[in-house]
Amino acid sequence: DVKVTQSSRYLVKRTGEKVFLECVQDMDHENMFWYRQDPGLGLRLIYFSYDVKMKEKGDIPEGYSVSREKKERFSLILESASTNQTSMYLCASSWGQGAGEQFFGPGTRLTVL
Amino acid sequence: QQQVKQSPQSLIVQKGGIPIINCAYENTAFDYFPWYQQFPGKGPALLIAIRPDVSEKKEGRFTISFNKSAKQFSLHIMDSQPGDSATYFCAAKDQTGANNLFFGTGTRLTVIP
Repeated sequence: DVKVTQSSRYLVKRTGEKVFLECVQDMDHENMFWYRQDPGLGLRLIYFSYDVKMKEKGDIPEGYSVSREKKERFSLILESASTNQTSMYLCASSWGQGAGEQFFGPGTRLTVL
Repeated sequence: QQQVKQSPQSLIVQKGGIPIINCAYENTAFDYFPWYQQFPGKGPALLIAIRPDVSEKKEGRFTISFNKSAKQFSLHIMDSQPGDSATYFCAAKDQTGANNLFFGTGTRLTVIP
């Protein structure tokens, strides 16, 4: 069974803290994605990766960075968390070029105080 | 700039009704149009998808209608059930680019028993 797991379901951090969100997939997928989901805005792409050590900016990369040191793991980093980064963060993965389906993790609800 | 426009934002129907969710796009390079279903506390999951060479696709009670000339597509749920209550996202993939999906803003569907 296809599985994407995220390290935390809920996270509370303080403004200015460095935050790490981890995502692991067990399907040997080439592509991995980080989205944030906000009411009325849908899913917005933050960063994505096609291969190990490779990353590309999505639509809203400001304030975020990513790391992909191993194929199965994709980390989202908030260098200095701010209150406007309070959101639901979703990780997804998919097979390589041409395939459409993305498989999502359950999400991490991050609150920045 | 929203590449895929989705409406309505929310929808309430009686059990047995046929909710219809509409999406529109401008980019003629899109070549894959999936719908994702998201239950509370879960990540989105692929429900049904269509490619632009067909005008309709049915899977069980779910049907996608696709109008290539109008650049619109819609999801119909036949004989809707309370268990269909969820948030639905349309999306589109660009054939020229990577495996990115551009998501609509989502429709929260409530089916009343």
